[in-house]
Amino acid sequence: DTAVSQTPKYLVTQMGNDKSIKCEQNLGHDTMYWYKQDSKKFLKIMFSYNNKELIINETVPNRFSPKSPDKAHLNLHINSLELGDSAVYFCASSQGEGNTQYFGPGTRLTVL
Amino acid sequence: KQEVTQIPAALSVPEGENLVLNCSFTDSAIYNLQWFRQDPGKGLTSLLLIQSSQREQTSGRLNASLDKSSGRSTLYIAASQPGDSATYLCAVRPADSWGKLQFGAGTQVVVTP
Repeated sequence: DTAVSQTPKYLVTQMGNDKSIKCEQNLGHDTMYWYKQDSKKFLKIMFSYNNKELIINETVPNRFSPKSPDKAHLNLHINSLELGDSAVYFCASSQGEGNTQYFGPGTRLTVL
Repeated sequence: KQEVTQIPAALSVPEGENLVLNCSFTDSAIYNLQWFRQDPGKGLTSLLLIQSSQREQTSGRLNASLDKSSGRSTLYIAASQPGDSATYLCAVRPADSWGKLQFGAGTQVVVTP
């Protein structure tokens, strides 16, 4: 009965490849987020969707493209991966903006 | 621009002692403040959310206070246990920024038996 799930948990890939991370929430929430946690453990918002509509795009390179096929899913596709993309990516959801956010377990992306 | 600071970066206490974790923010115009716990290799778990109009929130052994005017929040954990060992993060939702949580770097806590 995982509330927010992400796949895969680990992703190791070569520079220049394209990869996707999937996120699903079964909480019935209408708002979903992607965060990046870098090697210094700082968490930064990347994107936010409300009812499948992109609300926040926080100065993220165009190589990152989120897609929300429905309110329960928010996927992240990354083109032409670079070394600096190595990080842990977290998905989160909330019912309405400004309310408690529930986080997924994270996807550790390593670009070689 | 809102900046969130957590001091100390790391803390070690013997079991049974009360924990006091500090969070400061530079802009008092906030919508709310949340405290999270992060275990190694895992996602974040929400502990408490304090609305800007509130002074404190309590849940079990946890109590969080908020002093908006001075830009501070404190998380108290009573009678600490080894299971409380984790990194604790505070996050501020600025008043004018829809959906954006601004996180501190966290305080890594170790509770020794």
